Amino acid sequence: DAGVTQSPTHLIKTRGQQVTLRCSPISGHKSVSWYQQVLGQGPQFIFQYYEKEERGRGNFPDRFSARQFPNYSSELNVNALLLGDSALYLCASSPDRAGANVLTFGAGSRLTVL
Amino acid sequence: EDQVTQSPEALRLQEGESSSLNCSYTVSGLRGLFWYRQDPGKGPEFLFTLYSAGEEKEKERLKATLTKKESFLHITAPKPEDSATYLCAVLGYSGYALNFGKGTSLLVTP
Repeated sequence: DAGVTQSPTHLIKTRGQQVTLRCSPISGHKSVSWYQQVLGQGPQFIFQYYEKEERGRGNFPDRFSARQFPNYSSELNVNALLLGDSALYLCASSPDRAGANVLTFGAGSRLTVL
Repeated sequence: EDQVTQSPEALRLQEGESSSLNCSYTVSGLRGLFWYRQDPGKGPEFLFTLYSAGEEKEKERLKATLTKKESFLHITAPKPEDSATYLCAVLGYSGYALNFGKGTSLLVTP
């Protein structure tokens, strides 16, 4: 049974560029969340999507945006990249948004901004 | 604002040397406290969810406990394969996202 899949696994960008990260949730899971994990820190919440609508947003600038598609997959976009955006970007899925659902994480996309 | 503090930041144990990791938290109504394990270059892997003070859960050499202010992850007779970063996170009633601590990096040597 496939888990949460993310692509690309690694990428290198330069300052000012734009990046799109992709996530496919576990089959049957309708909620997708995005987290940013800077080296040496715990994951920090960016977005939650459920049924194609944004249900929550963390303390990130408007350069960060996301969307969820009818098949529940999701994309995270980051514009005007800064050096500080270098991090592991984690996608997690859960069956729904209610209750204390367990999040299942993907392996992440490692973004390096030069 | 929800806060999670984990200690120690790093822990080195010899194989078989039991110890505990601490997770102190403040949250406006606890819906759940989560423990995850993260190996280098990988995403966090779910271990346990605790919902109320006094609750305990076990899995192999790991046992998680919960009080109203903190949670402990007890590691009994650890093996080198237990080496990883252990993350604690809380979900409060006022929020919808997990609030993670910085993690404890555990190294178990043979």
